[in-house]
Amino acid sequence: QKEVEQDPGPLSVPEGAIVSLNCTYSNSAFQYFMWYRQYSRKGPELLMYTYSSGNKEDGRFTAQVDKSSKYISLFIRDSQPSDSATYLCAMSPDNYGQNFVFGPGTRLSVLP
Amino acid sequence: DTAVSQTPKYLVTQMGNDKSIKCEQNLGHDTMYWYKQDSKKFLKIMFSYNNKELIINETVPNRFSPKSPDKAHLNLHINSLELGDSAVYFCASSHAQGATDTQYFGPGTRLTVL
Repeated sequence: QKEVEQDPGPLSVPEGAIVSLNCTYSNSAFQYFMWYRQYSRKGPELLMYTYSSGNKEDGRFTAQVDKSSKYISLFIRDSQPSDSATYLCAMSPDNYGQNFVFGPGTRLSVLP
Repeated sequence: DTAVSQTPKYLVTQMGNDKSIKCEQNLGHDTMYWYKQDSKKFLKIMFSYNNKELIINETVPNRFSPKSPDKAHLNLHINSLELGDSAVYFCASSHAQGATDTQYFGPGTRLTVL
């Protein structure tokens, strides 16, 4: 079992839809959870991070962490064609950037 | 004004060659990283470098070596290139080395080893 798993997609949704992106993980030591967006042939950019369990909202984006289920989610409301990208989850057991473990990413297409 | 820049953007070379990829950040950050993203899109950290402290991912072959001439630069040298080294290499930087310190990524260098 890989340490962090994501459905690679592609996931296609119509503009305006609510998108749900998910990651599961096996290491119960993970405490810090991040979501990155990566446009084609570009470097990843951080969208949000959360510490431990709970929800965090930033504009149209909401991140949820359920440590008991080892499951994290990113919700995108009112999705736009500009949201079309690959979304990577990343997590770390401690507050050291060099211990990040990334998922393989889910490719999202938002159709106008 | 590119925050994190890498050169070259594309690199095609033969097996056995030695090559370097350069990275520069103009954000005044103290920490820099090198990542490898393979064909299946898994992004794996190779090195982090903070105030002359180098932390190496133990899975990285010693053919790979980072070199930092100053705080704004972290170059990646690769000796005796192998087919399996083909990937996209990303440089990143952050203010500090905490997991919650936002990492800013460069555009990537696509390395193809023939």
